[in-house]
Amino acid sequence: EDQVTQSPEALRLQEGESSSLNCSYTVSGLRGLFWYRQDPGKGPEFLFTLYSAGEEKEKERLKATLTKKESFLHITAPKPEDSATYLCAVPPNSGYALNFGKGTSLLVTP
Amino acid sequence: GAGVSQSPSNKVTEKGKDVELRCDPISGHTALYWYRQSLGQGLEFLIYFQGNSAPDKSGLPSDRFSAERTGGSVSTLTIQRTQQEDSAVYLCASSRQGSGANVLTFGAGSRLTVL
Repeated sequence: EDQVTQSPEALRLQEGESSSLNCSYTVSGLRGLFWYRQDPGKGPEFLFTLYSAGEEKEKERLKATLTKKESFLHITAPKPEDSATYLCAVPPNSGYALNFGKGTSLLVTP
Repeated sequence: GAGVSQSPSNKVTEKGKDVELRCDPISGHTALYWYRQSLGQGLEFLIYFQGNSAPDKSGLPSDRFSAERTGGSVSTLTIQRTQQEDSAVYLCASSRQGSGANVLTFGAGSRLTVL
């Protein structure tokens, strides 16, 4: 069964304290790995898509990387406005709907 | 429109009543998805529409749930005889193509509370 697992469930950082979020997946024949950000009371917002091992994408303080079994979302020198839930998702082997992990809730304190 | 619009944003209903949730996707997006997000849980796929093709209903949790999409645009998710376990945020998303590899744009969701 296709599965997406994210860790940790929650993470608390001080402003400027860099860290990484993990997303592991078991789907074979990966057709893209997606990262989304979700703020309270809002729908998820697209951040990145990665397609092949070794690929990296960057946006401001965020950098996403991909291996054959997992992806990391690195957050460098985070700010309080980076506080949100970060979701990882992959397309299934069959069908079209993305399979989402349960997310990592990030809190960055001043 | 500029984004995916969902209504109502909040709905409180009594157990056993029927509810309808509406989604207006981005103009030109042919694919439309419904997901459910319960407290502490990930996004749970419910149903997928692509153009005029038969919808993928494989995620609907029971026959109390149904959805339609009229004219390839607006979609309505209907929950009959609501139960307390139906309480959740119902999210709609649309994308340009039907492939799962495409980027989804989500609405803000409809929060359903069943008393």
